[in-house]
Parts: sequence; C-alpha cells; structure tokens
Amino acid sequence: EDKVVQSPLSLVVHEGDTVTLNCSYEVTNFRSLLWYKQEKKAPTFLFMLTSSGIEKKSGRLSSILDKKELFSILNITATQTGDSAVYLCAVEPGAGSYQLTFGKGTKLSVIP
Amino acid sequence: KAGVTQTPRYLIKTRGQQVTLSCSPISGHRSVSWYQQTPGQGLQFLFEYFSETQRNKGNFPGRFSGRQFSNSRSEMNVSTLELGDSALYLCASSLNPLGSGNTGELFFGEGSRLTVL
Repeated sequence: EDKVVQSPLSLVVHEGDTVTLNCSYEVTNFRSLLWYKQEKKAPTFLFMLTSSGIEKKSGRLSSILDKKELFSILNITATQTGDSAVYLCAVEPGAGSYQLTFGKGTKLSVIP
Repeated sequence: KAGVTQTPRYLIKTRGQQVTLSCSPISGHRSVSWYQQTPGQGLQFLFEYFSETQRNKGNFPGRFSGRQFSNSRSEMNVSTLELGDSALYLCASSLNPLGSGNTGELFFGEGSRLTVL
C-alpha cells in the first residue's frame, strides 16, 4: 500500500523565519510528487517534482526531491502571515495506478 | 475561466439517509477525482473518472459510488449514511487522467461539507 508521511504535523513560527516541511513516501512505482497549499477549503497547487535533485522555486517557496532516499522538502523563507495554511504532499504512482496518495499535511501557523 | 464548482457547499443529513454531491470540472478537463478529507485521516482518494469511466476506486465501502456524464460533470453518492461519513468532500479536475504520466496540476473545488447526525 502506498504511504506518504509528512512532518511535522504542525508548526508555529514567527514572521520572517525560515521553515522546512518534510514529506517521505513509499510507493510501488513512482511517477511524481506534488505539493499543495490548503488555506480554507480548496488546495492550490504549488509544485510537481519528478526528477531528483532539481529544485523548483516560486518566490519564497522552493522544493526538492530525493528519489533515492524517498523524500521531499518544502522550504519557505521569510515567512509571512499569509503563509499560514496546511501544506499537503501527494504522490502519484506510475502507469497502471490511477490515484494520488496524500499525506496528512503540515499545519503551519505564522504569527506576527 | 471558471474553476471547479461543487454543490452543495454544506449539507446536514441523518444516519441512514443518502446524499448526492455534484462536481463541475474546469471546461475542457475530462478527469475528475474525488477525495474525502477528515481531521484524523487527511485527504483520502475515493475514485477517479475519465471519459465517463471509473478508472480506480480507493479503499471505501460500496456505499460510496459515483459517475461521470458526457459533459465531464461528475456526481458521487453515499448511501446509508454513517456518522463517520461526516467530512469535507473535495473534487479535483485535470486535463489528463491520473497515472497518464502527464497529469500535471489538479484543480480542486471548494468542497462539500457533509455533516451526518
């Protein structure tokens, strides 16, 4: 059974701090790893990672995948209160498996 | 363009009743997948439809079912509701089906919050 574990489950930081969120996975046949941000209801897409060692960046957010060690990290620098959300990691297996497996998420709270 | 639309947004049912939730994907998207989100279990895959065909179903009992219409709109149904079915039900659409190797971004709706009393 495919498995995605995120850590920590929750995190409280002050504005300006840098945070690192972790996602480890076990999947029979890996295709891609995706990060989503969920502020209220609808998760919104952040990154899709398919290759090891290639960092994806978007503003203050960046993410990298290690396919050998089966994990990914999401970094947020200079955090702002608007970064407060649940960050979800999901794994898409390879051809023949038509579903995503999500981790339980990391709840990030950024306080002024 | 319009995003993924889910209706109803909130509903309250009692045990034993049945419920139907609706999802209209982004125009041109043919893949629709459904997820159940609860505080304890997180986001769990229910099923995915592509071109009116259910391609996979998650580990849920037969009380959970769904379908997709020719215009890609999808519905899911839960019969004989139990207290544990209380959850946020999210629908997501994508241009390509899951597992295609080119799924890309999933676009989620705001969800339907179901409370079972």
